[in-house]
Amino acid sequence: KAGVTQTPRYLIKTRGQQVTLSCSPISGHRSVSWYQQTPGQGLQFLFEYFSETQRNKGNFPGRFSGRQFSNSRSEMNVSTLELGDSALYLCASSIDGPNQPQHFGDGTRLSIL
Amino acid sequence: DQQVKQNSPSLSVQEGRISILNCDYTNSMFDYFLWYKKYPAEGPTFLISISSIKDKNEDGRFTVFLNKSAKHLSLHIVPSQPGDSAVYFCAAYGGGGGADGLTFGKGTHLIIQP
Repeated sequence: KAGVTQTPRYLIKTRGQQVTLSCSPISGHRSVSWYQQTPGQGLQFLFEYFSETQRNKGNFPGRFSGRQFSNSRSEMNVSTLELGDSALYLCASSIDGPNQPQHFGDGTRLSIL
Repeated sequence: DQQVKQNSPSLSVQEGRISILNCDYTNSMFDYFLWYKKYPAEGPTFLISISSIKDKNEDGRFTVFLNKSAKHLSLHIVPSQPGDSAVYFCAAYGGGGGADGLTFGKGTHLIIQP
């Protein structure tokens, strides 16, 4: 069974640009969550999608957004990039939601110059 | 305000001995707890979980204990093996307040010495 796949693995952008990250969950998993990992703040919850709807949202500015498609694949978008957005972005999937073990992808390392 | 705390950034244990990783939480609304293991350049891997209605859960060499009155949980690894060297994250769910994702601690780097 294929795991959670995130693309691309690495990305370099400059301030002010926007970026889209992609996540393909495990087959049969309908819940996709996104997390940001930085050395200072650790792993922080961004948002969760279920059946193409954002069901929960963490404490991040509106520049961070996402969507989920009918096949459960999800994308995350960050607009007007700032230096502080440099981080590892992790996607996790589970069958129905975060109250079950979530399976993580290997992440997208985003660097802002 | 850190709702899940892992106060030991690192822990060194001899191979074959018991590793005990600790985690404290402040939000009494949390009702589901998990431990994840992370190797460099990989995403976290789920290890074991426990619901707040239990005080212990075992899976092979891994046991998680939950003390709700103390808002404390611990992960025991017996016996410790070299492949257990990794960063371990404690996570909690059920905090409510509209941000119902997992809340993570900052991790403990476990080093298993031969």
